[in-house]
Amino acid sequence: DGGITQSPKYLFRKEGQNVTLSCEQNLNHDAMYWYRQDPGQGLRLIYYSQIVNDFQKGDIAEGYSVSREKKESFPLTVTSAQKNPTAFYLCASSTAYDSSYNEQFFGPGTRLTVL
Amino acid sequence: QKEVEQNSGPLSVPEGAIASLNCTYSDRGSQSFFWYRQYSGKSPELIMSIYSNGDKEDGRFTAQLNKASQYVSLLIRDSQPSDSATYLCAFKNRDDKIIFGKGTRLHILP
Repeated sequence: DGGITQSPKYLFRKEGQNVTLSCEQNLNHDAMYWYRQDPGQGLRLIYYSQIVNDFQKGDIAEGYSVSREKKESFPLTVTSAQKNPTAFYLCASSTAYDSSYNEQFFGPGTRLTVL
Repeated sequence: QKEVEQNSGPLSVPEGAIASLNCTYSDRGSQSFFWYRQYSGKSPELIMSIYSNGDKEDGRFTAQLNKASQYVSLLIRDSQPSDSATYLCAFKNRDDKIIFGKGTRLHILP
């Protein structure tokens, strides 16, 4: 089955810790994205990657880092510099960032809570 | 002006009736528009994409796009309790970025 997987489903972080969220896709999509969703808020773009070994900051990149060493994988690290990391994190992918269609498909999400 | 605006709801619709969800957007250069459904605690699921003016039908869902008026709507016919969810409108702006609305909560009354 083709799709996007995220792990873990739930993650608890202590103050001062870095944590890494996993995102894997087997859709053969070039572009991948990380969003953050807070209650009552729209999706906010953290980082995106159009191709392997390349990524760009989104609207709220401070306190986050990413890598794209493989086409299938786009992990997100939430660093201790992120002041308010408690949120629902969503990974998405699309065939190409600049495609006219650019339908984005989402993984199941990771809910991060800071203790 | 906000980039995309949706009524937050909740919109309550009796079972079997037509639910109508609306969205306006600011970027006149937008060419691609999307509707996502998000159940509580779950991730968004793409249900409709529309790229041309007019109507696009898929089962019980119809998306309507009017670029001149800068609005896109989603009609759900024969509403079912399983349609109760938050519906996110999204569009691709001239920088190829997808802009999401905050969503409209839809509640289908049994």
